[in-house]
Amino acid sequence: NAGVTQTPKFQVLKTGQSMTLQCAQDMNHNSMYWYRQDPGMGLRLIYYSASEGTTDKGEVPNGYNVSRLNKREFSLRLESAAPSQTSVYFCASRLVFQGLGEQYFGPGTRLTVT
Amino acid sequence: AQTVTQSQPEMSVQEAETVTLSCTYDTSESDYYLFWYKQPPSRQMILVIRQEAYKQQNATENRFSVNFQKAAKSFSLKISDSQLGDAAMYFCAYRSVNSGGSNYKLTFGKGTLLTVNP
Repeated sequence: NAGVTQTPKFQVLKTGQSMTLQCAQDMNHNSMYWYRQDPGMGLRLIYYSASEGTTDKGEVPNGYNVSRLNKREFSLRLESAAPSQTSVYFCASRLVFQGLGEQYFGPGTRLTVT
Repeated sequence: AQTVTQSQPEMSVQEAETVTLSCTYDTSESDYYLFWYKQPPSRQMILVIRQEAYKQQNATENRFSVNFQKAAKSFSLKISDSQLGDAAMYFCAYRSVNSGGSNYKLTFGKGTLLTVNP
């Protein structure tokens, strides 16, 4: 049971390049999330998927797109990377109607845009 | 919208001592959940403790306990017998229990960096 996995762990992009961050969970969770973490800012929600087939914007969605490919996988795409998107990205998931709604996090992807 | 405030950007504690990390939040809701997450240098976010707002009893997990003051909207984390492995960034988080989109997300504070001195 790997929990929440993310690929890649590190990535360097040039301004204007595109890339997709991958996330998968093997806990049969319904909801999945993408956050970004910047120094002094805590974690801010980019997009979330309450259940398979649905996605919604969070606090900071501009410049990103997401795809909930199936129940296990939730990807985050940067179409045209900008230096402001340099950050650490976390994927998380939770099982609806279990516990108190705590989310389980992946190990993060450190992205640098030059 | 809910907000979570952690007023201490950094704290330090001597090994084996006790330390308390502060968290306050702003909400108009009467029922909600609160969490503390730990983020060590590995970056992995680890759930430390959780509290249901309708429960008056403070949650406890081994050396970690909370002081939940609902009227004051305060949710502090106490770490007893601090260990070197407790050194990490600690985040306080809030979750609504209402239906709808807000139910699905966590609102995080900006974090408190805890240093444990040997």
